[in-house]
Amino acid sequence: DSGVTQTPKHLITATGQRVTLRCSPRSGDLSVYWYQQSLDQGLQFLIQYYNGEERAKGNILERFSAQQFPDLHSELNLSSLELGDSALYFCASSVGGLGSPLHFGNGTRLTVT
Amino acid sequence: SQQGEEDPQALSIQEGENATMNCSYKTSINNLQWYRQNSGRGLVHLILIRSNEREKHSGRLRVTLDTSKKSSSLLITASRAADTASYFCATGTGFQKLVFGTGTRLLVSP
Repeated sequence: DSGVTQTPKHLITATGQRVTLRCSPRSGDLSVYWYQQSLDQGLQFLIQYYNGEERAKGNILERFSAQQFPDLHSELNLSSLELGDSALYFCASSVGGLGSPLHFGNGTRLTVT
Repeated sequence: SQQGEEDPQALSIQEGENATMNCSYKTSINNLQWYRQNSGRGLVHLILIRSNEREKHSGRLRVTLDTSKKSSSLLITASRAADTASYFCATGTGFQKLVFGTGTRLLVSP
């Protein structure tokens, strides 16, 4: 058990809808990362937060947004969903220093129909 | 876009054999990490090697790093069926922005 909790585990929704994915990091970790994993795109880095502030941005669409709250949990909001957004969304956390390993949750599987 | 590219994409071996996976990357890095992913699960950190290190060991794992060639290799010795998984390299640049490669699918048959 990595200590990182992601909810929900599965999500099925229709195109055009909006969903929120939630992540609770490992106790003591200040950094939260979001990744998207799909069959054709591999594991794509979306965004990173450190102690509530955005630190790095990757291939995150404008329809997607995230934030990290004062209690360090994070939410990833996906709006105007398209079929191509169907994927596994992973949250990971780390203590935040250079070279610190990431601890991954088990992901949220999003299916857009 | 991917920073790292693993090679081979898939590898099938028998229990007891060694498995070697390679990773090539494009830009300068601070560190390189290897992760393992069992089907549909979250990734698990295996080992980290810093840019000033050339080789590192952890149990049955051996990682090498050649920064001049921008490449790394992961060797798993005496493979077991339980080692069946996908293996990813991840390169660290800047403030811990980890970019993952495309992964190698390893199948270890009993």
